[in-house]
Amino acid sequence: ETGVTQSPTHLIKTRGQQVTLRCSSQSGHNTVSWYQQALGQGPQFIFQYYREEENGRGNFPPRFSGLQFPNYSSELNVNALELDDSALYLCASSRADRPTYEQYFGPGTRLTVT
Amino acid sequence: DAKTTQPNSMESNEEEPVHLPCNHSTISGTDYIHWYRQLPSQGPEYVIHGLTSNVNNRMASLAIAEDRKSSTLILHRATLRDAAVYYCILSSGNTGKLIFGQGTTLQVKP
Repeated sequence: ETGVTQSPTHLIKTRGQQVTLRCSSQSGHNTVSWYQQALGQGPQFIFQYYREEENGRGNFPPRFSGLQFPNYSSELNVNALELDDSALYLCASSRADRPTYEQYFGPGTRLTVT
Repeated sequence: DAKTTQPNSMESNEEEPVHLPCNHSTISGTDYIHWYRQLPSQGPEYVIHGLTSNVNNRMASLAIAEDRKSSTLILHRATLRDAAVYYCILSSGNTGKLIFGQGTTLQVKP
């Protein structure tokens, strides 16, 4: 069974630029969630995708957007990067048919905005 | 979203049991209680979850109070590899959105 993978591992961008982060879900999982984790804080829910559509969103502005593909992999796009967007971005996959939604996390992408 | 309250940090000795408490006084009847842990430089890892009854798995046990306003994660024999931040989380609605708090940082001493 293949676990959740994310790319790239680290990324440095300049304020105002755009970034795309990628996630491959665990085999058999059809739901993907994205989280932002600032240094020293717990992860914050950004949004979730199921059947290629957004299925719930946290308190993040529209410049945070996502996609889910037919193979259940996903992308997180952030436009007009701000310094406060510097964080660890985590992707988690789960099975929508399990009501408790245990989520399996990838190792994250560390984004630094300068 | 229902919130949880956990101690900021706890210490344990290796090979001894650890009881990590969590208060969730505003839990709703359909909220599941989840525990995740995050080892240094890794993504969070699912530990256990439950609704009303106590639960056991290979990693830990979850004891849930009868009124469901609190729960305790039990590690039966702590090892150095159990040093991590432990998060107690209530599931939210049908999306399975996880609301993480600050968690409890567990230190395990040899």
